[in-house]
Amino acid sequence: AQSVTQLDSQVPVFEEAPVELRCNYSSSVSVYLFWYVQYPNQGLQLLLKYLSGSTLVKGINGFEAEFNKSQTSFHLRKPSVHISDTAEYFCAVTPNSGYSTLTFGKGTMLLVSP
Amino acid sequence: DTEVTQTPKHLVMGMTNKKSLKCEQHMGHRAMYWYKQKAKKPPELMFVYSYEKLSINESVPSRFSPECPNSSLLNLHLHALQPEDSALYLCASSQGGAGPYEQYFGPGTRLTVT
Repeated sequence: AQSVTQLDSQVPVFEEAPVELRCNYSSSVSVYLFWYVQYPNQGLQLLLKYLSGSTLVKGINGFEAEFNKSQTSFHLRKPSVHISDTAEYFCAVTPNSGYSTLTFGKGTMLLVSP
Repeated sequence: DTEVTQTPKHLVMGMTNKKSLKCEQHMGHRAMYWYKQKAKKPPELMFVYSYEKLSINESVPSRFSPECPNSSLLNLHLHALQPEDSALYLCASSQGGAGPYEQYFGPGTRLTVT
């Protein structure tokens, strides 16, 4: 079984500041990792994914994440946030074999203020 | 076309009503999912269809009845719901089978049970 921990339920930040949203996972098998974003009253949109290869993954909207196997982490970063980045961010994992089911973290609300 | 569509967008129903939620994708995906999401929580997996066969039922009450008429369509039939079933219902699809397939989510149906 897999589990995902997003330690920060809410991260307030000022516009144009950098941000890091933390994600740690636990799994007895190899996994693939994802970050999804959910804007208010919308579905989930894939930001980026790590499958294999380079541990630094770039996604949409200027976001990137780094996979750290020794620390079982997959933190999301953006060097300069915009008001429009205000949303809920979910980290998710799936086993790299078998059915493609996702285990989600509890989510982190990113609040960007002017 | 990377879109998953869901209808209706909003639904209000009484506890004695029967209604259905619909989901459609034209990406050739062979796995489709229903999730339930309560406010400020991550999505909870309800059902998975793989190649039009129900492959996962996460112990969902029988008042929720899924149906997959063909590879592009997924329905969720609702009957005798309870107020605690009020939530955002999300549909998703993926290529299916084993592999690192990200899930594409629809915008959801906001369900209110009165």
